[in-house]
Amino acid sequence: AQSVTQPDIHITVSEGASLELRCNYSYGATPYLFWYVQSPGQGLQLLLKYFSGDTLVQGIKGFEAEFKRSQSSFNLRKPSVHWSDAAEYFCAVGAGQTGANNLFFGTGTRLTVIP
Amino acid sequence: KAGVTQTPRYLIKTRGQQVTLSCSPISGHRSVSWYQQTPGQGLQFLFEYFSETQRNKGNFPGRFSGRQFSNSRSEMNVSTLELGDSALYLCASSVGDIFYEQYFGPGTRLTVT
Repeated sequence: AQSVTQPDIHITVSEGASLELRCNYSYGATPYLFWYVQSPGQGLQLLLKYFSGDTLVQGIKGFEAEFKRSQSSFNLRKPSVHWSDAAEYFCAVGAGQTGANNLFFGTGTRLTVIP
Repeated sequence: KAGVTQTPRYLIKTRGQQVTLSCSPISGHRSVSWYQQTPGQGLQFLFEYFSETQRNKGNFPGRFSGRQFSNSRSEMNVSTLELGDSALYLCASSVGDIFYEQYFGPGTRLTVT
């Protein structure tokens, strides 16, 4: 069965510092991987996705993620965090016969940015 | 292009009642998926509809049902509401094929008292 683990419940970083959010997945075949961000009271916004090809993917707002099959990981990174990046971040894997249309989410990582 | 819209945004219902939530996908998208978000269980997949047919279903009781109309709009129904059904219900739309990402609406916040 597919699953996603986000080991960090809460991360605090200083504005301007670099950021890495961890994500590990469990799925037998090649997964469809996503990172979403959610601000309080809002829906989910897609940051980036990995379907195949280049294992380093670029997303919106300066985020990138690297797919590492050997480690079953899809970590999200940003070189310099802005105060507006404070939000909850979810990693998700799409699986099953409809692939990306049936997502399994991690429990999320809440990011706090301090000035 | 307009995003995914969900109505209503907020709902308060009493235990035992039923509720219907609506979702209008992005124009041209044929797949609509529904998710439940709670503090305790996180984000959980409910079901997916494509071309008016349920194509995928999560592990929820039969009290949760849905449908999709010919214009791809979707409704979700919860009967005999329980306190534990209080949640943010998110709708997501996709082109419909497996290699396309989902776009989420703002959600409907359901409170059961």
